[in-house]
Amino acid sequence: SQQGEEDPQALSIQEGENATMNCSYKTSINNLQWYRQNSGRGLVHLILIRSNEREKHSGRLRVTLDTSKKSSSLLITASRAADTASYFCATNNYGQNFVFGPGTRLSVLP
Amino acid sequence: DVKVTQSSRYLVKRTGEKVFLECVQDMDHENMFWYRQDPGLGLRLIYFSYDVKMKEKGDIPEGYSVSREKKERFSLILESASTNQTSMYLCASSRRDRRPKTDTQYFGPGTRLTVL
Repeated sequence: SQQGEEDPQALSIQEGENATMNCSYKTSINNLQWYRQNSGRGLVHLILIRSNEREKHSGRLRVTLDTSKKSSSLLITASRAADTASYFCATNNYGQNFVFGPGTRLSVLP
Repeated sequence: DVKVTQSSRYLVKRTGEKVFLECVQDMDHENMFWYRQDPGLGLRLIYFSYDVKMKEKGDIPEGYSVSREKKERFSLILESASTNQTSMYLCASSRRDRRPKTDTQYFGPGTRLTVL
């Protein structure tokens, strides 16, 4: 069952700009995670935010969570060419397995 | 650092062949997972395991089976490969946290399987 849905599907920006990706989900969650996938590789965990948290930072990443709207956003500040990748949100519903969305493809142009 | 390795990066098989995909993790994780990834569909869970010799069906188990004889190794088996099983297969592992339940997953590099 598809829970997380990222938006937009694809995003192109210039190096140095900020990139914002959104994730919407349908049911109650325990936590939400963001992962990055470089082309043809496995996923790498970026950040986890729990249902009782509203915002979290890690380096150039900022994640927000609005449980009333069932949505999350991932902001990458001062983007670099190396940030080019697909980004996935994954939701965890208390004791259930994670459900991944289809992802946002981010292209950062030099 | 957690390391999850998969036996092959690329694999080409013929329809009807039996295919084994192997995954090994070195962090003593209890949980292991097999996903397939297709364009526009994200990751879909095939099977998972919370302990040795234990397995649970995910969202799309049809046409697949798994084996977990040792804690560090989780194998995905395609009993009779079909062209619609051409996909990227990703293995992941995680600890079994109880409070709070976080289960951050660590992924292998993936196996791109083509069935002709």
